Amino acid sequence: GAGVSQSPSNKVTEKGKDVELRCDPISGHTALYWYRQSLGQGLEFLIYFQGNSAPDKSGLPSDRFSAERTGGSVSTLTIQRTQQEDSAVYLCASILAGGDYEQYFGPGTRLTVT
Amino acid sequence: RKEVEQDPGPFNVPEGATVAFNCTYSNSASQSFFWYRQDCRKEPKLLMSVYSSGNEDGRFTAQLNRASQYISLLIRDSKLSDSATYLCVVKPGGSYIPTFGRGTSLIVHP
Repeated sequence: GAGVSQSPSNKVTEKGKDVELRCDPISGHTALYWYRQSLGQGLEFLIYFQGNSAPDKSGLPSDRFSAERTGGSVSTLTIQRTQQEDSAVYLCASILAGGDYEQYFGPGTRLTVT
Repeated sequence: RKEVEQDPGPFNVPEGATVAFNCTYSNSASQSFFWYRQDCRKEPKLLMSVYSSGNEDGRFTAQLNRASQYISLLIRDSKLSDSATYLCVVKPGGSYIPTFGRGTSLIVHP
């Protein structure tokens, strides 16, 4: 079946511009995570969505970052006024439900801020 | 002290070797443990969950030591295709937010 998809796969943007990253989770998965991974670093948790509950935004590094999940499915991560330190791979993962289920990751969006 | 620590390696081993990685965690409330595998420039994929009693999946064995707060992964009869980065993942009880280690790089050579 279809896995998690993310778009775009690569994004190069100028410092100060806004970017929007998209994640299409596996159909039927109720929970969704966003992470970012910088070179040589572990995955850094950003935000978690579970069903219709309020998202856990505790990992967002600044108020330039926001995310939404429409209709319990597609999610978008928006970074406003991008900075060079935002350059990283942004990964989305969906799971069947909250808990200890396997996380299925998308291929990621590689963001480069010049 | 980092929440989840792993030796970054790389571990460079010949085919057929046995290799073991450890991962230490600082939060004693951690309840769920996993090993993920990440190939170069690819997304992580679940390798195995780690159960209290230890568990085995083919050539892979995972163990948990709660007293010393570490988990381990043992790979027997290494294959070239095992070359990857192995990520340790720890999650506290009652939380949906996992913490990923930075990963241990394994290179299996002919």
